[in-house]
Amino acid sequence: DAKTTQPNSMESNEEEPVHLPCNHSTISGTDYIHWYRQLPSQGPEYVIHGLTSNVNNRMASLAIAEDRKSSTLILHRATLRDAAVYYCILSRLQGAQKLVFGQGTRLTINP
Amino acid sequence: SAVISQKPSRDICQRGTSLTIQCQVDSQVTMMFWYRQQPGQSLTLIATANQGSEATYESGFVIDKFPISRPNLTFSTLTVSNMSPEDSSIYLCSAVNHGSLGKNIQYFGAGTRLSVL
Repeated sequence: DAKTTQPNSMESNEEEPVHLPCNHSTISGTDYIHWYRQLPSQGPEYVIHGLTSNVNNRMASLAIAEDRKSSTLILHRATLRDAAVYYCILSRLQGAQKLVFGQGTRLTINP
Repeated sequence: SAVISQKPSRDICQRGTSLTIQCQVDSQVTMMFWYRQQPGQSLTLIATANQGSEATYESGFVIDKFPISRPNLTFSTLTVSNMSPEDSSIYLCSAVNHGSLGKNIQYFGAGTRLSVL
């Protein structure tokens, strides 16, 4: 499985935008970029995924570099509830549907 | 989406004993998975629970230690056998339903926090 690299931790202020980076220089053409987050004492939850084009949903936006070697998860207006560990994961949609979790980025939101 | 319930939510066990963790989904799902999250670490996939057949284990995990059952499309169990303190972890169940199949969107339970003394 292709590897992703994320900062161990980031900090932001409430009601400000947050940009969470992810490097995936060995991504293959069939790898989708998925983001999950894990709130304290909970299981992970799906945030967003994309292949080449930028994606938006009610939770976040995903900006994918043109060469696909990096991506950024954007939380437009962080709230205290967004404090979590964010995981950037590469996966292929066919076949095993497995997720390989890295260490993720621990996001702290200051009030 | 799918709502996943795990039982028990936490347990404290003695070494050498076994614990069976249950995972119940509120709707029929295509695939179910079991993960382990050791203290302060990320999640590691243990196995894919296959309905009506033997589970598919990842490297480093064996059936004798982590037997898994999946008798139908909404339920699975994971047993942690002959426990040692090194098995102290959070064990999580996840599922992929028909609507999320092909998108690799997994829904997770809250996990079972296991402490082995």
